[in-house]
Amino acid sequence: DGGITQSPKYLFRKEGQNVTLSCEQNLNHDAMYWYRQDPGQGLRLIYYSQIVNDFQKGDIAEGYSVSREKKESFPLTVTSAQKNPTAFYLCASRIAGANPTDTQYFGPGTRLTVL
Amino acid sequence: GDSVTQMEGPVTLSEEAFLTINCTYTATGYPSLFWYVQYPGEGLQLLLKATKADDKGSNKGFEATYRKETTSFHLEKGSVQVSDSAVYFCALLSGNTGKLIFGQGTTLQVKP
Repeated sequence: DGGITQSPKYLFRKEGQNVTLSCEQNLNHDAMYWYRQDPGQGLRLIYYSQIVNDFQKGDIAEGYSVSREKKESFPLTVTSAQKNPTAFYLCASRIAGANPTDTQYFGPGTRLTVL
Repeated sequence: GDSVTQMEGPVTLSEEAFLTINCTYTATGYPSLFWYVQYPGEGLQLLLKATKADDKGSNKGFEATYRKETTSFHLEKGSVQVSDSAVYFCALLSGNTGKLIFGQGTTLQVKP
């Protein structure tokens, strides 16, 4: 089955620690995205990547970092510089190219809690 | 900048009632519009979309019409079921990078 997997489902972190969230897709999609969801709010874009070895900041990139070394993988690191990291993190992907209206598919999410 | 505004929830309905969730947007030009649904503890699933003015998106009994005159994309369903209980997000496509701008989400609770 094709799809997007995120791991772990739940993650607990102590203050001052960096933590990396995994996102893998086998849909052969070119573009990948990271969103953050807070209670009662919509999703906000953290980072996105349209091709391997290239990525851009979204609206709330401060305190986060990403890499895109393989087409299938787009890990997100939440650094100690992120002041309020407790949230639900969603990864998405789509076929890039000339038609940006192509559907974005979402993974099941990772819930990060800072203790 | 681009933005999406949804009606506040929660919306509580009895089974078989008519559903409307309002969504309006602010954007340059005529962006593609989407409705996503999120079931508890899960990611988002695309429910329907419309890519140009006057288009109607539909899926699983849900419909939404792209109204450029009122910059709206209201979600409707004629008869809701308990299984429709979820959070619904309206979104627009901003620019040509695939970036989605989301509304704050509306929680729907359907009671038997």
